[in-house]
Amino acid sequence: AQKITQTQPGMFVQEKEAVTLDCTYDTSDQSYGLFWYKQPSSGEMIFLIYQGSYDEQNATEGRYSLNFQKARKSANLVISASQLGDSAMYFCAMREGRNGQNFVFGPGTRLSVLP
Amino acid sequence: DVKVTQSSRYLVKRTGEKVFLECVQDMDHENMFWYRQDPGLGLRLIYFSYDVKMKEKGDIPEGYSVSREKKERFSLILESASTNQTSMYLCASSLRLRQVSTGYGTDTQYFGPGTRLTVL
Repeated sequence: AQKITQTQPGMFVQEKEAVTLDCTYDTSDQSYGLFWYKQPSSGEMIFLIYQGSYDEQNATEGRYSLNFQKARKSANLVISASQLGDSAMYFCAMREGRNGQNFVFGPGTRLSVLP
Repeated sequence: DVKVTQSSRYLVKRTGEKVFLECVQDMDHENMFWYRQDPGLGLRLIYFSYDVKMKEKGDIPEGYSVSREKKERFSLILESASTNQTSMYLCASSLRLRQVSTGYGTDTQYFGPGTRLTVL
């Protein structure tokens, strides 16, 4: 069964506008972590933001924020004030398991920022 | 800053060849991972290692083996390369959970730049 679902294969956003990338997850663990990574065309995976399952506040890192809705098992990434350099693939991922060694990635969303 | 390096960015091999992909991290991380990435499929875990000489199969281990003789180095081996192993290979490392509980940064994985392997 798919553990991480990203329903938007591709998204477009106008420069300077905000955009939300969807992510839902499936786990029976109480303790888990949720991550978002950015992968530009150069190929490297860049860590953006992390949310722990026990964190009560939504995580924020600069222009990135994570809209964490635990009951709905969703962890959407919000990018405010989009820039041309934000055009990339974005992956949602989850860390779970007794030793926290199971990392599972979603299929990704390709974001294109339009000038 | 964490640095994860991979031995090659691009590699071209022939069917049947033995292929070694090397990964080195400099942050004393205990966990190391090998993924392959294919369009539309995201990242799929091949193998991971949580300590020297320890390894666990991931989701798609068939046709691959790994070696971890030193903490900083994790090698992926294709015993007899096939065309369906043409892919992007990404190595990653992370702290073990107990180290994270001391507040040593977030428990994320840090990735290398990737190796794009083509098997002809």
